[in-house]
Amino acid sequence: AQSVTQLGSHVSVSEGALVLLRCNYSSSVPPYLFWYVQYPNQGLQLLLKYTSAATLVKGINGFEAEFKKSETSFHLTKPSAHMSDAAEYFCAVIRSSGNTPLVFGKGTRLSVIA
Amino acid sequence: KAGVTQTPRYLIKTRGQQVTLSCSPISGHRSVSWYQQTPGQGLQFLFEYFSETQRNKGNFPGRFSGRQFSNSRSEMNVSTLGLGDSALYLCASSSTGGAYEQYFGPGTRLTVT
Repeated sequence: AQSVTQLGSHVSVSEGALVLLRCNYSSSVPPYLFWYVQYPNQGLQLLLKYTSAATLVKGINGFEAEFKKSETSFHLTKPSAHMSDAAEYFCAVIRSSGNTPLVFGKGTRLSVIA
Repeated sequence: KAGVTQTPRYLIKTRGQQVTLSCSPISGHRSVSWYQQTPGQGLQFLFEYFSETQRNKGNFPGRFSGRQFSNSRSEMNVSTLGLGDSALYLCASSSTGGAYEQYFGPGTRLTVT
């Protein structure tokens, strides 16, 4: 079975500071991994995805994530936080083979302080 | 291309009633998945439909059901509503489901009183 653990339900950073949101996964088979963002009263928007090509994945809005198999991690980073980055972020995992549903982490709420 | 649309956006129901939510996927997408989002349980998978057939099902009671039509539009129904069914219900579509990226709608906010 696949699962993800997001460390920290709430992360607060200053505007211009580094953003680091942590995600660790568990999977019995090679996984595909995703980061989604959810703004208030909206659905989820795909930020980036790892599908076994490059281990460093670049997404929208300046975000990137690195797949580290040895650490079973897929942490999300952004060099400089902007006020508009304040939102809920979800890490998700899926099997790389077969038609199985996405499994989401509990989410991390990011606050950006001016 | 139009995105995933969900109707209605907001709904208030009374305990014991039933409700039907609708989802229209992106044109050409054949897979529709439904999720329930609550503050306590987070995002939980309900079911997935592909070409009018339920392909995957989450761990929810039989009160939760769904269907998909030949044009890929999907509906989900919840019968005998309880207070615990208050949630944001999200629909997501993808071209084939599985490992392909899913596109989410804005959700339907259901409040049960």
